[in-house]
Amino acid sequence: KNQVEQSPQSLIILEGKNCTLQCNYTVSPFSNLRWYKQDTGRGPVSLTIMTFSENTKSNGRYTATLDADTKQSSLHITASQLSDSASYICVVSAADSWGKFQFGAGTQVVVTP
Amino acid sequence: KAGVTQTPRYLIKTRGQQVTLSCSPISGHRSVSWYQQTPGQGLQFLFEYFSETQRNKGNFPGRFSGRQFSNSRSEMNVSTLELGDSALYLCASNIQGGGNEQFFGPGTRLTVL
Repeated sequence: KNQVEQSPQSLIILEGKNCTLQCNYTVSPFSNLRWYKQDTGRGPVSLTIMTFSENTKSNGRYTATLDADTKQSSLHITASQLSDSASYICVVSAADSWGKFQFGAGTQVVVTP
Repeated sequence: KAGVTQTPRYLIKTRGQQVTLSCSPISGHRSVSWYQQTPGQGLQFLFEYFSETQRNKGNFPGRFSGRQFSNSRSEMNVSTLELGDSALYLCASNIQGGGNEQFFGPGTRLTVL
């Protein structure tokens, strides 16, 4: 069973609207959680990284939240733009697994005009 | 500072052939990880190299192998190609491995016919 589950699998939103992506994980002991944006045919690019003590972090129009107690994270996209169309991947690393990352399957976001 | 580079960007091979992919990490980064990404499976970890030694390995058959050179550049080899090996192969560079942030290259798109 995957230790990182993302939802929804895909979503379509209108340009200018907001959306929220979810990431639930069972990875333990927790070290950090990252959100990546991956454009089609390109490598993932880091958006945010959060450790246990952080519960909110922003990067422009992207805001990530983390609830380490419930092992949930969300990525909120504000005022979406066409360039936000991409796959968003949640990645969790464990404190006792040096160099190993658990990847979610990603949420495919399509922003339409 | 230049990012992670991967060559070639696209490759077409036939079943039974072998292929070698190359990755040059960010200058100063000593850890290189390889991932296979397919639409159905998402990102799957192949292996990680640090200082010319394989430090972590995923659950892939022995047909998948790699190595790292003294300048941290890494190569990945796949022998006896199968149709199911068609995927985007991503290389990620990390300053020293562990839970530190990974920086991904653009990937090599391998198509096996």
